[in-house]
Amino acid sequence: QKEVEQDPGPLSVPEGAIVSLNCTYSNSAFQYFMWYRQYSRKGPELLMYTYSSGNKEDGRFTAQVDKSSKYISLFIRDSQPSDSATYLCAMTRSNTGNQFYFGTGTSLTVIP
Amino acid sequence: DTEVTQTPKHLVMGMTNKKSLKCEQHMGHRAMYWYKQKAKKPPELMFVYSYEKLSINESVPSRFSPECPNSSLLNLHLHALQPEDSALYLCASSQGQGAHQPQHFGDGTRLSIL
Repeated sequence: QKEVEQDPGPLSVPEGAIVSLNCTYSNSAFQYFMWYRQYSRKGPELLMYTYSSGNKEDGRFTAQVDKSSKYISLFIRDSQPSDSATYLCAMTRSNTGNQFYFGTGTSLTVIP
Repeated sequence: DTEVTQTPKHLVMGMTNKKSLKCEQHMGHRAMYWYKQKAKKPPELMFVYSYEKLSINESVPSRFSPECPNSSLLNLHLHALQPEDSALYLCASSQGQGAHQPQHFGDGTRLSIL
């Protein structure tokens, strides 16, 4: 079993829709959770960073962590064509330095 | 534009060539990373430098040789690569090597081995 599972999609939604992206993980030691956005032919760009359980909001983006269910989510409100990209979740354990465990990425297309 | 700059953006080389990839950051970060990313896959960690010392080598073949000349620069020297080494090579940096430090990525060097 992979440590981090993420549905690769592809996911296609109309402009203005609410998008929900999710990752599950198996190791309860994960404490730091990140979402990256990667456009084609670019490097991953840090979108959201959260510690432990709870919600964090930044503009149209909301990150949610539920450690009891080992489940993290990224919500995008009022989705725009410019949100079309691959979204990668990543997480780390406090006792392994800064080794990231990535999901496989979800490809999102927002249709105008 | 990212704050981690990688050059060149594209590189085509033969299997007998020697080339180097370069990465630079001026955010004062003390940890720097090399990743390899194949199409439609997540980045795979290759090397980690912390305070200019190699701290993690993920069993990478010796045809890849990292170097950290100072806290702002990271190089990856390439020699006798194989066609399966064709990939996007990403550099990242973080303030330190602690688990709570998010990593910031460059846009990568797209490497093709003929």
